[in-house]
Amino acid sequence: GNSVTQMEGPVTLSEEAFLTINCTYTATGYPSLFWYVQYPGEGLQLLLKATKADDKGSNKGFEATYRKETTSFHLEKGSVQVSDSAVYFCALSAAAGGGNKLTFGTGTQLKVEL
Amino acid sequence: GAGVSQSPSNKVTEKGKDVELRCDPISGHTALYWYRQSLGQGLEFLIYFQGNSAPDKSGLPSDRFSAERTGGSVSTLTIQRTQQEDSAVYLCASSFPGTSRETQYFGPGTRLLVL
Repeated sequence: GNSVTQMEGPVTLSEEAFLTINCTYTATGYPSLFWYVQYPGEGLQLLLKATKADDKGSNKGFEATYRKETTSFHLEKGSVQVSDSAVYFCALSAAAGGGNKLTFGTGTQLKVEL
Repeated sequence: GAGVSQSPSNKVTEKGKDVELRCDPISGHTALYWYRQSLGQGLEFLIYFQGNSAPDKSGLPSDRFSAERTGGSVSTLTIQRTQQEDSAVYLCASSFPGTSRETQYFGPGTRLLVL
């Protein structure tokens, strides 16, 4: 079956530090890959996505590249801000048999301090 | 509305009681998903509706869980004879299939606590 593995948190960084959150996946077929973010007290929001190998998703300074050879979709940001503190979820969808139900990783909490 | 809405936002119930959770998807979105977010299990898919097709119920954890979608819009998730392990945040998402790997938009969730 499909699965997503992401690094455990919490990850604590100082403002302006470089961020990497690792994500690897197992899937049949050719999944789409997503990063969702959940800010404190809010719902899940799509941060970025990539639908095929070598695609790079980007948004709000965050980037992730779909690497089929390493089955990875690591999230990066060059300079984090306090406002980036949230829980980040890596997810995939593999539309087999209808539907694009998402399979999520366990989430990584990011804390950014001044 | 502009986004997916869910009600109630919070629900406290006693073990053994039935509960109904409601989801209003984004207007025009034909696909609707229910997920559950719990401490022990993370985010799990529950059920998927697409138009008039038979729903994909493969993620429902037991026969105490059921869902329906009336008129291709509003959906209700029902949990019968609630148990403490049902305590979780229940999330609804909608999307408009047909585009390239469509994006799911999530509602704020219903936080269910079973005492």
